Amino acid sequence: DAGVIQSPRHEVTEMGQEVTLRCKPISGHDYLFWYRQTMMRGLELLIYFNNNVPIDDSGMPEDRFSAKMPNASFSTLKIQPSEPRDSAVYFCASSSTLSVNEQFFGPGTRLTVL
Amino acid sequence: AQSVTQPDIHITVSEGASLELRCNYSYGATPYLFWYVQSPGQGLQLLLKYFSGDTLVQGIKGFEAEFKRSQSSFNLRKPSVHWSDAAEYFCAVGTIQGAQKLVFGQGTRLTINP
Repeated sequence: DAGVIQSPRHEVTEMGQEVTLRCKPISGHDYLFWYRQTMMRGLELLIYFNNNVPIDDSGMPEDRFSAKMPNASFSTLKIQPSEPRDSAVYFCASSSTLSVNEQFFGPGTRLTVL
Repeated sequence: AQSVTQPDIHITVSEGASLELRCNYSYGATPYLFWYVQSPGQGLQLLLKYFSGDTLVQGIKGFEAEFKRSQSSFNLRKPSVHWSDAAEYFCAVGTIQGAQKLVFGQGTRLTINP
């Protein structure tokens, strides 16, 4: 199994630009999570999906952030417009109801907003 | 709501020495408990997990953890650390009512002295 795949691995952009992060979960997993990791705030859950439906987006910091999951094998996290304080590592994770809370993480996308 | 506390932000041990990383959780019922490890520039990798049964669980890379209900703790141990164990370690708690969500501690950064 290829594991959770994220792209790009690194993204450098300028303030005000749109940023799209992509995630492919493990095949057969029915949950998908987006996290943000910073030195100051640690690991924060932004949003998660079950069977492609958003369940809890209370961690999404602002309306500038949006996430979609159009099918079971693909999800995006979009930031529009981006700001320097959005600089962080963004992780995608997936899990299966059969594996009881065990989440599998992708390698992350390091985002730098100048 | 459940919460996780890792009291030690940073720990330094010598190579070959024993290790114990502390984790305390807050939850009214029996939780599902996890330890993840994050090497620099990498995603989180599952070390071990506890759901029920034997309170001493074995994981990968020679790690073990013990669930102590009376102390609400799930401390991670290793009898002899290797330089490659230098990483960030996260304790996490999940619940059957939490719909696959995990609550993570702030992490403990482990440094190994040669």
